[in-house]
Amino acid sequence: DSGVTQTPKHLITATGQRVTLRCSPRSGDLSVYWYQQSLDQGLQFLIQYYNGEERAKGNILERFSAQQFPDLHSELNLSSLELGDSALYFCASSPRTSGSQETQYFGPGTRLLVL
Amino acid sequence: DQQVKQNSPSLSVQEGRISILNCDYTNSMFDYFLWYKKYPAEGPTFLISISSIKDKNEDGRFTVFLNKSAKHLSLHIVPSQPGDSAVYFCAATGSARQLTFGSGTQLTVLP
Repeated sequence: DSGVTQTPKHLITATGQRVTLRCSPRSGDLSVYWYQQSLDQGLQFLIQYYNGEERAKGNILERFSAQQFPDLHSELNLSSLELGDSALYFCASSPRTSGSQETQYFGPGTRLLVL
Repeated sequence: DQQVKQNSPSLSVQEGRISILNCDYTNSMFDYFLWYKKYPAEGPTFLISISSIKDKNEDGRFTVFLNKSAKHLSLHIVPSQPGDSAVYFCAATGSARQLTFGSGTQLTVLP
């Protein structure tokens, strides 16, 4: 158990819909990272938050957004869903942010299926 | 443009023998490298890491070697056990700290 929790574990929805994925980082960790694992793209970085502020963006679509709340949990919002958004979405956390070599610990993931 | 490459999609090893998983990278700004183990439908589990200022790091049965001049790292597992069967991902990070992953190697340890 990494200490990172994600809900829900599974999500089935239809095209055009909007969903919210939730992540609680390890106790004391200020950085939260979101990654997507799809069959054709592998594990890819989406976005990073540190202590409530966006710090870095990766290959994140404009239809996707995220935020980190004062209690440090984070939510990833996916809207206007398409079939190709079906994937595993992982959250990871680490104590700090850029400038330090830290290990990221991953949650169990949310499996999203868009029908 | 794959900055981290794992060229072997799969590897089979006999129980008790050594498993060697390889990883190559192209970005010379990477300064921290990690190996994760992953089972289907689970999150990646951290195994071992190495800073670019070192060439070897050991933790129990797991050893990671880094060859900066060749931009190559490898993970050695000795002795291999059936429970080690999983997908292994190599990842790298630079100052921005987001992880760039390789495509993974499926390790199968045969009893």
